[in-house]
Amino acid sequence: QVQLVQSGAEVKKPGASVKVSCKASGYTFTAYGISWVRQAPGQGLEWMGWISAYNGNTNYAQKFQGRVTMTTDPSTSTVYMELRSLRSDDTAVYYCAREEAYGGSYLSYWGQGTLVTVSS
Amino acid sequence: DIQMTQSPSTLSASVGDRVTITCRASQSISTWLAWYQQKPGKAPKLLIYMASSLESGVPSRFSGSGSGTEFTLTISSLQPDDFASYYCQQYNSYSQTFGQGTKVEIK
Repeated sequence: QVQLVQSGAEVKKPGASVKVSCKASGYTFTAYGISWVRQAPGQGLEWMGWISAYNGNTNYAQKFQGRVTMTTDPSTSTVYMELRSLRSDDTAVYYCAREEAYGGSYLSYWGQGTLVTVSS
Repeated sequence: DIQMTQSPSTLSASVGDRVTITCRASQSISTWLAWYQQKPGKAPKLLIYMASSLESGVPSRFSGSGSGTEFTLTISSLQPDDFASYYCQQYNSYSQTFGQGTKVEIK
């Protein structure tokens, strides 16, 4: 069965960086892209960007351009999302989710979420 | 970016009620729209894709309709398990966006 398993909760200071991992199993890793979506406490869902597991192509939401980097490691079927220059309003649960088509699609499988807390 | 506006933000309903949630896009997105259900502390769950296609395993009381800029999610007979938040998502453009969400509460 398809599973996306994310790394554990993180606590970071303002200005630091965080790197969250998302390990995929149960399907051919390179056949699907992965999107990252975050949710601040009590707020809605916010799409951050997408990476193709096939060729590493990325598309980042304008809001995060220059501050986010998504990468893949096909040898371990893992996708990474690094967010830099963290601020308190980056405190959120970060989800990875599998895209059903190249370049943007609905998200049929989701990771369990990773809570990132930014606090001094 | 395409903006998605959901209404209402909160909906109070009783078990057995027919419930309708609306999502409007700031420009035409054809039928490139999905609906998700989210319960507290859990990841979102896909309900509907391509505006009206029911995801496998989702109860048939859920249905979606619409095209262009106006879409609806309907729950034909609300069940206790359906009290949750619901989000629409457009994936027409290279940059995806979600609606702000609708919380369905017990009346």
